[in-house]
Amino acid sequence: DSGVTQTPKHLITATGQRVTLRCSPRSGDLSVYWYQQSLDQGLQFLIQYYNGEERAKGNILERFSAQQFPDLHSELNLSSLELGDSALYFCASSVGGAGGHTEAFFGQGTRLTVV
Amino acid sequence: GDSVTQMEGPVTLSEEAFLTINCTYTATGYPSLFWYVQYPGEGLQLLLKATKADDKGSNKGFEATYRKETTSFHLEKGSVQVSDSAVYFCALSRHGSSNTGKLIFGQGTTLQVKP
Repeated sequence: DSGVTQTPKHLITATGQRVTLRCSPRSGDLSVYWYQQSLDQGLQFLIQYYNGEERAKGNILERFSAQQFPDLHSELNLSSLELGDSALYFCASSVGGAGGHTEAFFGQGTRLTVV
Repeated sequence: GDSVTQMEGPVTLSEEAFLTINCTYTATGYPSLFWYVQYPGEGLQLLLKATKADDKGSNKGFEATYRKETTSFHLEKGSVQVSDSAVYFCALSRHGSSNTGKLIFGQGTTLQVKP
């Protein structure tokens, strides 16, 4: 158990809909990262929050947004869903916001299926 | 930009065989390098890491050496077990205060070990 909790584990929804994925980081971790894992794109970094502030942005679509709340949990909002958004979405957390030596711990992921 | 390239899978081995999974990277400066493992239905777990040139990361019988001259971080294990069957990801993270800890992943290599 990594200590990172993601809900829900599975989500099936129709095209055009909006969903919210939730992540609770490990106790004490200030950074939350979101990644998308798909068959064609592999594992792609989407966005990072550090202590409530957006810290870095990757290949995140404009239809997607995220936020980190004062209790440090994070939500990833996906709207106007398309079939191609079907993927496994991972959340990871780490103590700091800088790179290199800080280990990131991953949740078990939310599998999103858009039909 | 930064990138990681792994050997294509799947890799199929018999139990007790020697394992090598190749990984090369492109990055400015000297990133930290990681191997993550994803067991079926689970999130990613850090397997080992190296933070500077010539460092050797090791864990659970797996090893990888950070080779700056060949920009490589190949994963090896002397004798694989059926329980090692999983997807292995090579990744890098930049150093420094301006870097955020986001991970750049290779495409993953599936390892299947047969009894």
